[in-house]
Amino acid sequence: AQSVTQLDSQVPVFEEAPVELRCNYSSSVSVYLFWYVQYPNQGLQLLLKYLSGSTLVKSINGFEAEFNKSQTSFHLRKPSVHISDTAEYFCAVSASNSGYSTLTFGKGTMLLVSP
Amino acid sequence: ETGVTQSPTHLIKTRGQQVTLRCSSQSGHNTVSWYQQALGQGPQFIFQYYREEENGRGNFPPRFSGLQFPNYSSELNVNALELDDSALYLCASSLVAASGAPQYFGPGTRLTVL
Repeated sequence: AQSVTQLDSQVPVFEEAPVELRCNYSSSVSVYLFWYVQYPNQGLQLLLKYLSGSTLVKSINGFEAEFNKSQTSFHLRKPSVHISDTAEYFCAVSASNSGYSTLTFGKGTMLLVSP
Repeated sequence: ETGVTQSPTHLIKTRGQQVTLRCSSQSGHNTVSWYQQALGQGPQFIFQYYREEENGRGNFPPRFSGLQFPNYSSELNVNALELDDSALYLCASSLVAASGAPQYFGPGTRLTVL
């Protein structure tokens, strides 16, 4: 079984400041890793994913995450946030040997960007 | 390309009743998963359907059941509703049932059980 820990329930930052949202996972098998974003009253949108290859993955809107196998982490970073980045961010894992594509999510981190 | 759609948007039921939620998968996607997201929590996997068969199930009782139709749309049925079933129910579709396949979520159905 897999589990995901998102260490911060809320992260308040000022606009244009850098931010890091932390994610650690536990699994006895290799995993695939995902970050999803949820805006108020909406479903989840895939932000970025790590399946294999380069451990640093990037999204089109400036977010990046780095897979660290030794620390079992997949932290999300952005060098300069915008007001529009205010949302809930979920880290998720999927066992690479599973016959189906289930996701195990963390509890989420609310990113609050203020002017 | 049409994304994942869900209906209804909101639903209010009373304890003991039954409910059916519906989901249309993204065009070309043959796999549908259902998740329950309680307030303040991350989504929890209920089950997955692939080509009309249940392909995997999370830790939910049998009163949670589902169907997938030949056009890959899906239904989630919950019998004997309990107060704790109040949550946002999310449907997600993926191109294939493989574990690394990204899942694309619908906007959800907000179920309130009184």
